[in-house]
Amino acid sequence: SQKIEQNSEALNIQEGKTATLTCNYTNYSPAYLQWYRQDPGRGPVFLLLIRENEKEKRKERLKVTFDTTLKQSLFHITASQPADSATYLCAPSGGKLIFGQGTELSVKP
Amino acid sequence: DTGVSQDPRHKITKRGQNVTFRCDPISEHNRLYWYRQTLGQGPEFLTYFQNEAQLEKSRLLSDRFSAERPKGSFSTLEIQRTEQGDSAMYLCASSLEGGFTGANVLTFGAGSRLTVL
Repeated sequence: SQKIEQNSEALNIQEGKTATLTCNYTNYSPAYLQWYRQDPGRGPVFLLLIRENEKEKRKERLKVTFDTTLKQSLFHITASQPADSATYLCAPSGGKLIFGQGTELSVKP
Repeated sequence: DTGVSQDPRHKITKRGQNVTFRCDPISEHNRLYWYRQTLGQGPEFLTYFQNEAQLEKSRLLSDRFSAERPKGSFSTLEIQRTEQGDSAMYLCASSLEGGFTGANVLTFGAGSRLTVL
């Protein structure tokens, strides 16, 4: 069955550093992969989408890579800020979106 | 457009009672999804519609759960004979199939939190 794994432990980093979150998936070949941000008590919000034929995608301080051979995506936040603290979800995409369990990021001032 | 709206935001009920949640998607979106989320977990897929047709329902979903999307607009999710294990956040999302990106990007509502006592 399809399986998605994200860093299970919370990630704690210092303001200004780069946060790197990992998403691994097995048993399917998504045409694209999405990343969402979720704040406590709120629904997820779409951040970035990367297609299978793209190696890297950037948006402001965010960068996503997609390695279809390794079946892995990396999500980077550069120059992190306390406002970046949230849970980040990956969703390798098909007809319906299946989400990973999320990684909680905490950026300390 | 005010985005995806869900009602009620919070519902407390006693075990054995029925509850119904409503979702109003973004008007031009043709797909509507229901997810369930518990603390520390990602959203778990329940079901989705394209227009009024229910295209897929999770095999993990009990027969006590039913969803409808009459006329392809708003949707309701009903849980009959609630159990304590049903306590969770129920999220609704909508999308435009194919969209401007050619991909299925979801816009979520704020969720309906259910507590079963």
